[in-house]
Amino acid sequence: GDSVTQMEGPVTLSEEAFLTINCTYTATGYPSLFWYVQYPGEGLQLLLKATKADDKGSNKGFEATYRKETTSFHLEKGSVQVSDSAVYFCALSDLVGDYKLSFGAGTTVTVRA
Amino acid sequence: GAGVSQSPRYKVAKRGQDVALRCDPISGHVSLFWYQQALGQGPEFLTYFQNEAQLDKSGLPSDRFFAERPEGSVSTLKIQRTQQEDSAVYLCASSFEDRVETNTEAFFGQGTRLTVV
Repeated sequence: GDSVTQMEGPVTLSEEAFLTINCTYTATGYPSLFWYVQYPGEGLQLLLKATKADDKGSNKGFEATYRKETTSFHLEKGSVQVSDSAVYFCALSDLVGDYKLSFGAGTTVTVRA
Repeated sequence: GAGVSQSPRYKVAKRGQDVALRCDPISGHVSLFWYQQALGQGPEFLTYFQNEAQLDKSGLPSDRFFAERPEGSVSTLKIQRTQQEDSAVYLCASSFEDRVETNTEAFFGQGTRLTVV
């Protein structure tokens, strides 16, 4: 079945550092890929998504590129802020919309001032 | 309200007790999803509604789990004879579109944390 494997945390960074969270997937078809973020005390929020190979999703300075050849969707941000402290989840769906998502285990990121 | 609302936020149940978890989706949203998130894990799909129709319940772990959405708005997830392995955060999400193929976003509630003792 479909599955997602993401980098284990926790990850602790200083402000303005470069962040990367690795995500690889296994799927039988051509899934859509997502990154969700959960800030402390809040619900899951969609951060960005890509629906086909070589698409790049971007939002709030974060980027991820759908790499079919390496079955990866790594999340990157060039300069993190304290407000980026959160849990990040990589996910996939067999369909364009985010229905019946398969999530990774999540990576906790803490940014220190 | 502006977002997906779930209640209660926290529930402690004795093993064997029945529980009911409520989800109020965003007004007008057609699709509704339930997910289960165990500690330290990502959410896992439980079931999906389109209006009042339960179109997919493949993720429900046992027949002790039952979900309904009788009027196509509020949904209730019921767990009968709770067991310790049911302890988790139960997330509800809703989206506007009624076709899963569309490029739509699901909005998540904050979840209900269930602890079975």
